[in-house]
Amino acid sequence: QKEVEQDPGPLSVPEGAIVSLNCTYSNSAFQYFMWYRQYSRKGPELLMYTYSSGNKEDGRFTAQVDKSSKYISLFIRDSQPSDSATYLCAMSEPNAGGTSYGKLTFGQGTILTVHP
Amino acid sequence: DAGVTQSPTHLIKTRGQHVTLRCSPISGHKSVSWYQQVLGQGPQFIFQYYEKEERGRGNFPDRFSARQFPNYSSELNVNALLLGDSALYLCASSLEQGGFKQYFGPGTRLTVT
Repeated sequence: QKEVEQDPGPLSVPEGAIVSLNCTYSNSAFQYFMWYRQYSRKGPELLMYTYSSGNKEDGRFTAQVDKSSKYISLFIRDSQPSDSATYLCAMSEPNAGGTSYGKLTFGQGTILTVHP
Repeated sequence: DAGVTQSPTHLIKTRGQHVTLRCSPISGHKSVSWYQQVLGQGPQFIFQYYEKEERGRGNFPDRFSARQFPNYSSELNVNALLLGDSALYLCASSLEQGGFKQYFGPGTRLTVT
């Protein structure tokens, strides 16, 4: 079983729709939760990060973390064709010495297409 | 400010050869991490360096090694290349030692034939 599970989709929605992207995880040591967007043949771009359970909003994007259920979500409101990309969830745990959270564990990525 | 830069952009190597990939972090960032992304998958963690010291190592064979230089740039070395090493190799930099907030470069696409 993978530490982080993400439905690869693909997901196709009309412009203006609300998009819900989700990941589940099994490692209780994960403490930081990130969402990245990756356009074709580009590096991932950091969209949002959260530490605790709850919601965090940034413009059209809302990230939710439920540590008790080991479940995180990203909502995109008023989706645009420019949102078409692969969305990756990522999670971070401390290293053995507790000095770094630099090891990110990624989900497989969900391919999203927003059509006009 | 320039983002994370990586070189080369593309590379084609033959099985058994050696390859060196290079990364320059965002100015002021002291932590660099390396990831391997196989087509259709999420990135897999290889190494993290902070202040020239290794802070984390992923589940990769000893054929993979890395180092960080005094100017915080980094290189990833892969020896005895296998076909399965074909992937996009991503470098990410982070400002703080904690290193979870990472900014990625465009990657180096390695093809092993």
